[in-house]
Amino acid sequence: SQTIHQWPATLVQPVGSPLSLECTVEGTSNPNLYWYRQAAGRGLQLLFYSVGIGQISSEVPQNLSASRPQDRQFILSSKKLLLSDSGFYLCAWSQGLAGVGEQYFGPGTRLTVT
Amino acid sequence: TQLLEQSPQFLSIQEGENLTVYCNSSSVFSSLQWYRQEPGEGPVLLVTVVTGGEVKKLKRLTFQFGDARKDSSLHITAAQPGDTGLYLCAAFTMNRDDKIIFGKGTRLHILP
Repeated sequence: SQTIHQWPATLVQPVGSPLSLECTVEGTSNPNLYWYRQAAGRGLQLLFYSVGIGQISSEVPQNLSASRPQDRQFILSSKKLLLSDSGFYLCAWSQGLAGVGEQYFGPGTRLTVT
Repeated sequence: TQLLEQSPQFLSIQEGENLTVYCNSSSVFSSLQWYRQEPGEGPVLLVTVVTGGEVKKLKRLTFQFGDARKDSSLHITAAQPGDTGLYLCAAFTMNRDDKIIFGKGTRLHILP
């Protein structure tokens, strides 16, 4: 069966510090991978998605970046955090063209920028 | 721009009551998913509907995809406190870069 991991679970960082959130998927190959941010328990904002190694599409221009160094590894980074970067970050995977859009989410990372 | 509108945004009802929440769009979709999310956790997939007019049941939850594949509803019978959570609908259209759009959710609170 497939599993998705995210770490850390919670993070408190000062403004201007760097960020690295990691997501890994087990039990599947060549998944589509996604990073979302969720504010105030409401809808999901798609930040980045990837259909393969080294292939990253950005949805929202901001001070965040993403990388996919391995097939089942997706990393969200920032060089300098802003207060507005606080939120709940979710990683998700889906099957590629063979799927019907179902996504499977990790447990999330709660980021607080102080 | 494709949009998914969910209604109501908030719903608080007594245990044992029935309820329906909606997910609407002006666009046609290949499939539509419903997720439930509890505080501090990631959304969990409940169901996928693919065919116009399709009805799926998951215990006390009934999901329906509109005939034109533009909208969906979730009906809960005899709601229980364990049904409390944020219900998100998401829609997928093939040939659109495999992206999925999400509604903003319905926050449901079932009072014991």
